[in-house]
Parts: sequence; C-alpha cells; structure tokens
Amino acid sequence: ETGVTQSPTHLIKTRGQQVTLRCSSQSGHNTVSWYQQALGQGPQFIFQYYREEENGRGNFPPRFSGLQFPNYSSELNVNALELDDSALYLCASSPGGADYGYTFGSGTRLTVV
Amino acid sequence: GQNIDQPTEMTATEGAIVQINCTYQTSGFNGLFWYQQHAGEAPTFLSYNVLDGLEEKGRFSSFLSRSKGYSYLLLKELQMKDSASYLCAVQGDNAGNMLTFGGGTRLMVKP
Repeated sequence: ETGVTQSPTHLIKTRGQQVTLRCSSQSGHNTVSWYQQALGQGPQFIFQYYREEENGRGNFPPRFSGLQFPNYSSELNVNALELDDSALYLCASSPGGADYGYTFGSGTRLTVV
Repeated sequence: GQNIDQPTEMTATEGAIVQINCTYQTSGFNGLFWYQQHAGEAPTFLSYNVLDGLEEKGRFSSFLSRSKGYSYLLLKELQMKDSASYLCAVQGDNAGNMLTFGGGTRLMVKP
C-alpha cells in the first residue's frame, strides 16, 4: 500500500462533542505525526507516535489524544470540541530518519459549529 | 522554541524565476524542509537541507545557511501550476524530531 490516506474527508461537529479522525500510513512507516492547519496558516504540530508510543508533543491541551496501531494506522481524538478546533487536520508518516521526509495525507476538514 | 518567518504572499510571471526566503531561530536543528501545498490538498515534499549549500532538483533549488538561520527556495521557469503555498519547516533535534512550520508563502503565477 502506498500513500497516506485520511478519513473522513470532511466532518461537521457541534461544540462540546468528541471526534475521532483516522489515518492509514504507508507500510513500513513507523513514525506518524498529526498537525492542525488553520486556514491560511502553516501546520501546527500536535503530537507524534513511533512504534505505538507517543514520542513528541506540541502545545496542545490533553483533550487532544492519539493512538497508533501495529498495522500502520493511527487515530487523533479530540474531546470537548471548541469552535477554534475548526481546521484541517493532517497526518504525516515517515519510515524514520530525517532525510526521508514526511508523506502527508490530504487531511480531514473539521468544522465545529 | 522555534520561530520561522517567510513572506505571506508573492507574485511572479510565468517563465520567470522567484526566490522564497525563510529565516528561522531554533533551539535545535536537524534539517530544513520545503513543501508545496495546493489549496485543499496535502503538502508535498520538495527538498531537504541539513548541510550548508545549494540542493538542486530540476526547476527547484533550495539553499541553507545554518550560521545565518536562513534558507531559500528558488523556482525557475515558472509555470501556472506552480501557483501554490510553499511551506518552510525546521526539524528539531528533540525527542520526536518534530517539524515546525512557517506560515507559508502563497505564490501566484500570472501569465
């Protein structure tokens, strides 16, 4: 399997609800990162997983949590949604090692109303 | 922490050359990436620099000066399809080696 796929493509949620976003990474990509990208801004690092363990976290509150599974899939969970959580959520995977770069999925556009 | 600056918008003419600058101040450095992102699409990898100097890939080149905290992306023979946002990202040397992105430069190529 090649590429990084994310689901769903678009999602509308109500403030206070919970949401789970999913990512399927390329086979062999042990590292997966999640980013939040507000309109017109660069992506902001949320957290990163390596071999199913979180190994880095950005400046996001604990209501942002994640999981990585042995089959190279991962999840981003957001609890108690706020209006400011409306953004494009990007998943990026890498086989490891800086010079490999990261392959990004097309993202999930989350709208909180 | 990391601070990365790049111009918000640039306009250039088809067939011309454009240089997009990126300056950074970081607490650790493990490389600098450039990504291209078309509206509504995923960022796609363009280049990676970890040593000082110029890396050339076809119409795209990227330069790095670690002592100056400076990089640029050079696009030659501009095409209309090059209209996109260009993201500069620095990889730290902390646990996770996370990428910190600048705000992106929106490039508009005109006929």
